[in-house]
Amino acid sequence: EVQLVESGGGLVQPGGSLRLSCAASGFTLSGYWMHWVRQPPGKGLVWVARINSDGTTITYANSVKGRFTISRDNANNRLYLQMNSLRAEDTAVYYCAGGLSTSSGVWGQGTLVTVSS
Amino acid sequence: DIQMTQSPSSLSASVGDRVTITCRASQGIRNDLGWYQQKPGKAPKRLIYAASILQSGVPSRFSGSGSGTEFTLTISSLQPEDFATYYCLQHNGFPHTFGQGTKLEIK
Repeated sequence: EVQLVESGGGLVQPGGSLRLSCAASGFTLSGYWMHWVRQPPGKGLVWVARINSDGTTITYANSVKGRFTISRDNANNRLYLQMNSLRAEDTAVYYCAGGLSTSSGVWGQGTLVTVSS
Repeated sequence: DIQMTQSPSSLSASVGDRVTITCRASQGIRNDLGWYQQKPGKAPKRLIYAASILQSGVPSRFSGSGSGTEFTLTISSLQPEDFATYYCLQHNGFPHTFGQGTKLEIK
């Protein structure tokens, strides 16, 4: 079964850091551009970042640029999001997603990040 | 940034109704658009990609059309399981942007 599974979410204080992980199974991650998308509680979907197949091209939303870092480990079929200097407005469910422009698009089930003191 | 204006923001309809949701892009995006369905507490599920291609396994009552700046998602005959929130997503330019969502409710 083709699947993405996120982990690493939780409660963190403002200014803190968290690293999200997304594990792929049933397919090879290296063939896909990968993305992180987030959804604040009760609100809509917001695109956060993307990384191309070999990790050489990366783009961020302005709201996270300079604080978040997307990376990938194709050998281990994993995608990451390092989140630093977290703010209350970063509170959201974070989804990893791949192949947004292809026939085989896949999304994870999401992991909740709560930034609060 | 490319703005995606989705309408309506909410819609009340009955089982069996035909409904249409629209997304307008602030500039041309060719056919680089997908439609997603999201139910409470669940991840988004893609229904349509490349503006008009039905995702494998999605019922044929869902259809998409459009190119350039105007796109529509049509559900030909609403079923009880279709009551959810729907989003469009453009992936032509960065940042990728979503429509604001359409909450489809039972009348």
